[in-house]
Amino acid sequence: DAGITQSPRHKVTETGTPVTLRCHQTENHRYMYWYRQDPGHGLRLIHYSYGVKDTDKGEVSDGYSVSRSKTEDFLLTLESATSSQTSVYFCAIRGFDEQFFGPGTRLTVL
Amino acid sequence: TQLLEQSPQFLSIQEGENLTVYCNSSSVFSSLQWYRQEPGEGPVLLVTVVTGGEVKKLKRLTFQFGDARKDSSLHITAAQTGDTGLYLCAGELGTSGSRLTFGEGTQLTVNP
Repeated sequence: DAGITQSPRHKVTETGTPVTLRCHQTENHRYMYWYRQDPGHGLRLIHYSYGVKDTDKGEVSDGYSVSRSKTEDFLLTLESATSSQTSVYFCAIRGFDEQFFGPGTRLTVL
Repeated sequence: TQLLEQSPQFLSIQEGENLTVYCNSSSVFSSLQWYRQEPGEGPVLLVTVVTGGEVKKLKRLTFQFGDARKDSSLHITAAQTGDTGLYLCAGELGTSGSRLTFGEGTQLTVNP
């Protein structure tokens, strides 16, 4: 158990509403990541963080923003959710030579 | 275009058969990792390979990193129903700042 939790685990929302997903770690790791997983695409990086208030974009960052005000928390925000953002979202932290993943959040945008 | 091409995308075999999953790219990776994912859970690391030509074994699973560090394979001998799952390869580029690029995944089903 790498000490990563995600909340909520499931969420259904409507198009145009803001949504915030939370990732919490107890391991004090510097690097944290947000991915989305869709059939036929594997895992795609949305944003990542390399320290408090230090973040950078991944390959599919449009429509998403992140914040990291504390080492242990990494928030992913969809400012105005769209149906194309229906997906399973995974948070991960970087250990010595691997990434540890949270249990995922299944988000449905109607 | 996917940076890492994984094949096959789906594989359904009988228990006891052997199988190989491939992960190919035109890019050179500083390391390559294989993960396994169960339904409703996050991926879990199986192995990391870092040296060109490296071969690692994990019980019935054999992982190989290509000599040029552009490709990798996962071979499973005498598959068991417990091997069923989604297998993902992920490569770290030398200048990526600890970022991983994932393949599309191979959904393996081992039937009894």
